[in-house]
Amino acid sequence: GAGVSQSPRYKVTKRGQDVALRCDPISGHVSLYWYRQALGQGPEFLTYFNYEAQQDKSGLPNDRFSAERPEGSISTLTIQRTEQRDSAMYRCASSFDSGGSSYEQYFGPGTRLTVT
Amino acid sequence: GESVGLHLPTLSVQEGDNSIINCAYSNSASDYFIWYKQESGKGPQFIIDIRSNMDKRQGQRVTVLLNKTVKHLSLQIAATQPGDSAVYFCAENMDTDKLIFGTGTRLQVFP
Repeated sequence: GAGVSQSPRYKVTKRGQDVALRCDPISGHVSLYWYRQALGQGPEFLTYFNYEAQQDKSGLPNDRFSAERPEGSISTLTIQRTEQRDSAMYRCASSFDSGGSSYEQYFGPGTRLTVT
Repeated sequence: GESVGLHLPTLSVQEGDNSIINCAYSNSASDYFIWYKQESGKGPQFIIDIRSNMDKRQGQRVTVLLNKTVKHLSLQIAATQPGDSAVYFCAENMDTDKLIFGTGTRLQVFP
């Protein structure tokens, strides 16, 4: 079946603009995660959802960042008033279950955000 | 595509040799560990996992060893192939779904 998809794949925006990044998880996956990955580093946790409930948002850098998953499937990560330091690869992952049987997270291809 | 790990530690091995990639994790309370493989331009791909109540787990051509005493994790790849060339990350999890990724290692396989 289809894997995790993200859109857009590339986004260039001007400083101060808002951006919305979309993640479409694998069908049936309960949990959805957002990460940010800088070049040469591993993904850095931002936030995650079980179904539509946001379980942990401790990794969101500041209040300009928010995420939602209103129907427990597609999720949107929104960055308001973007700054150049927000430039990074934003990755989404999903897993069938949270805890218990499987922690295996399947990652999407990412959205490369460039703030000019 | 995007290049991952421009200045990462690099392990170079000859095709057919065994590879050992090491990782030091940070939290002694972590109870679940995973190795991911990331090829250029792609997202991380799950390889193998291990829980803290085990010290060894084997998959197909891969073995993960866990030494909780020194908080060390290793990934062994048998008969390394060109397709194994990638950046490898270890990740730890402590009783939540949040994965903490370590510094990656670039594996280069030469014919």
